[in-house]
Parts: sequence; C-alpha cells; structure tokens
Amino acid sequence: NAGVTQTPKFRILKIGQSMTLQCTQDMNHNYMYWYRQDPGMGLKLIYYSVGAGITDKGEVPNGYNVSRSTTEDFPLRLELAAPSQTSVYFCASISQGAAGELFFGEGSRLTVL
Amino acid sequence: QKEVEQNSGPLSVPEGAIASLNCTYSDRVSQSFFWYRQYSGKSPELIMSIYSNGDKEDGRFTAQLNKASQYVSLLIRDSQPSDSATYLCAVLHGSGNTGKLIFGQGTTLQVKP
Repeated sequence: NAGVTQTPKFRILKIGQSMTLQCTQDMNHNYMYWYRQDPGMGLKLIYYSVGAGITDKGEVPNGYNVSRSTTEDFPLRLELAAPSQTSVYFCASISQGAAGELFFGEGSRLTVL
Repeated sequence: QKEVEQNSGPLSVPEGAIASLNCTYSDRVSQSFFWYRQYSGKSPELIMSIYSNGDKEDGRFTAQLNKASQYVSLLIRDSQPSDSATYLCAVLHGSGNTGKLIFGQGTTLQVKP
C-alpha cells in the first residue's frame, strides 16, 4: 500500500515555464487536496476535489489548474511559473466518511527562478 | 479576517510543563476541528480531532472546543523535547462534510530539556 504518492519531489523552474505536479493515491479515497506551504507558514488550500469530475477552488487558486478524471489521480498544473509560486506543495486524500483526517504525500519542493 | 488564526510563536516551555496552543476560526457553522503536528521537513500528521463542545483527551493531549466563542485549543501535558514541532489547527469549512479543510498558520512549540 503506497498511500499518497507525489512526483517530482524537487524541481527548479524558470519564470514563465509550466509544469505538472503529479499526485496519485491507492486507497480509493473520494476527497483529494492540494496545499502549498511557504517557509514558516501553515498550509494554504489551492484546490480540492470531492470525487472524479468534481473540483473546487480553495484559498489560493490563482496560477494553478487541476483535473480529476479518475479517483486515483489529482494532478496540479502550474502555468507561467512565477517566483511567488516557490513553495512546498502537499497532496492529500481522505475517504468521505473520515472528514479532516488527511493522508499526506511527502511533498514536492518547487523553486522558481 | 483569516478563516483560521493561530499565534505563530515560538512557544517555549520547559520539559514536563503544560503547553497550551490556541486557535480561533471565523466560520460559525463549522462542526469539525483538527490538530496536526508537523516536524521540520516532514508532512503533517493528525493528532486529535474534536466535534463537540468540551474536552477530548487522548494520552497527554487534550483538545478543547468552544463553538460559542469559536475557539479551539490543544493542551500537551508533561511536555517532552520530542513534542517540539509546529502544531497546525484545521477547520472543516461549513456544515456537514463540504470537504474544504482550512489550516491556520501553525504554532511552533519548543520544549527545552
């Protein structure tokens, strides 16, 4: 049982480049999340999904896009990367009946130069 | 007003003392509240959940909820150096399981031997 798997773990981007952070879970969880964490700060919700085909904006969605075509996968797309998107990104999932008890991936550290 | 607020700290306590961590939230209809612990460079992990007014105890940890005051707290008794970490308060926005889980900025706890 792998849990929540994020790739890549580290990435350096140039300003204006685009990339996709991958997230997959093998626990058949309905709910999936993307958070970002800036140094010394808490988690900010970017997007979340309550099931395949359903996504919703969180607190800081600008500059990001998501899709949820399957239960297992929830990729996060960064278009036109900016230095302000330098952060650690966490993907997480929970089953519908376990509200709030998130299973987190190990995080993806993104630097935009 | 931020949806979930915590003092960022650091909160420094001597080993064996009680550490008290506080959190306020703005959404009056929220029903589910969580405390996560995050060690430096690691993913957050759930330590307590609380849904009803009053106290909930689990080992050395006690969560307290006062919905009228929109206030959640976490007490750590007999604090140990291994408790040194950042503690994140999280609130499930709205009534029912909306899926929208919002975190505070976290409080850094330092337990000194």
